Amino acid sequence: EPEVTQTPSHQVTQMGQEVILRCVPISNHLYFYWYRQILGQKVEFLVSFYNNEISEKSEIFDDQFSVERPDGSNFTLKIRSTKLEDSAMYFCASSPPDWRGTYEQYFGPGTRLTVT
Amino acid sequence: GNSVTQMEGPVTLSEEAFLTINCTYTATGYPSLFWYVQYPGEGLQLLLKATKADDKGSNKGFEATYRKETTSFHLEKGSVQVSDSAVYFCALRGRDDKIIFGKGTRLHILP
Repeated sequence: EPEVTQTPSHQVTQMGQEVILRCVPISNHLYFYWYRQILGQKVEFLVSFYNNEISEKSEIFDDQFSVERPDGSNFTLKIRSTKLEDSAMYFCASSPPDWRGTYEQYFGPGTRLTVT
Repeated sequence: GNSVTQMEGPVTLSEEAFLTINCTYTATGYPSLFWYVQYPGEGLQLLLKATKADDKGSNKGFEATYRKETTSFHLEKGSVQVSDSAVYFCALRGRDDKIIFGKGTRLHILP
């Protein structure tokens, strides 16, 4: 069964460094998302992406964050200058074209980002 | 705005016990409702969903019914197993593109 994959599974970085989290969505999907889960807290929406542009973003997704689909398969989240509070589990998700409008999202296993 | 409230955990039950995890929501319009499960060390997996009022989602012995009159989507299972130990998230998707999650309920099943 096709699944969303994410790399790396765990990333440790120093405060102020740039990180890129990578995701490979399911191949025929058209909608892509990033969520994050700070340890012990709820999963929060960051951004959605469709047709090579951001369709919605949350207040968390400030100028330090960017997303890109550099080729036909990868979907990346870049954090330009990491802060301690960026430490979290980051989940990528993708969604197929769905004429019924139920928009089921399929989640990857997550990348745990630790900022020291 | 849209929100999801679910019961605080952890919930500890013995194997074969009956499980209920309460979930209520606030949303405009007619959201789709979901339960996701997160097993230890793994990502989020869709457990079940319901897209309109009175729909019942079911999977792996779990069930939840979309109740518009009470704005609820409680998760139930008649006889839990040790392998059901995980964190369960109630969630909704409204007219926009994002999923709103509850805080999660950690479930421990004792053998």
